[in-house]
Amino acid sequence: AQSVTQLDSQVPVFEEAPVELRCNYSSSVSVYLFWYVQYPNQGLQLLLKYLSGSTLVESINGFEAEFNKSQTSFHLRKPSVHISDTAEYFCAVSDGSYIPTFGRGTSLIVHP
Amino acid sequence: DVKVTQSSRYLVKRTGEKVFLECVQDMDHENMFWYRQDPGLGLRLIYFSYDVKMKEKGDIPEGYSVSREKKERFSLILESASTNQTSMYLCASSYGARRTEAFFGQGTRLTVV
Repeated sequence: AQSVTQLDSQVPVFEEAPVELRCNYSSSVSVYLFWYVQYPNQGLQLLLKYLSGSTLVESINGFEAEFNKSQTSFHLRKPSVHISDTAEYFCAVSDGSYIPTFGRGTSLIVHP
Repeated sequence: DVKVTQSSRYLVKRTGEKVFLECVQDMDHENMFWYRQDPGLGLRLIYFSYDVKMKEKGDIPEGYSVSREKKERFSLILESASTNQTSMYLCASSYGARRTEAFFGQGTRLTVV
């Protein structure tokens, strides 16, 4: 069965600092990868996704993630965070199933 | 825009009550999901449906049932609510292909007292 590991449950950073949220998955077969963001008391929203092609994918608000097949990773990065980026971030993987597997989430806390 | 609507944002119910959580999506998606979200545990799948009247158990189906009589609507039923079912419940839907993302509702925060 597929598994997704988000190693950091909480990542505190100062505003304008860079950040990386780590995600590793277990499957070695073809996968589709997603990052979702959840703001307080809301549902999850898709942040970005990797389906095929370029291994570097970007979101409209400055986040990017790189698919690394050899390391089975899909880490999320942003060069300079804002207070408004404070949220819970979930990595998800889909392989041969219609059911995506989610990681446990990483709480990004941006301090002024 | 795809819209997934959950009928309630907040609910307070008593132990032993039968509870219905409703979810409607407006994009003709084949797949619909119910998750519960608890601190430190992430999202855990309760039930999944890939077509009308079809359902599959997820990781934690005990104490829950579901109903999908119409393609756009997927209901989660707590047969006899208990305090350990206090949680955030998230409904999601997706197209019937594994490369597509899931679209989530706003969530229902259920408190059982």
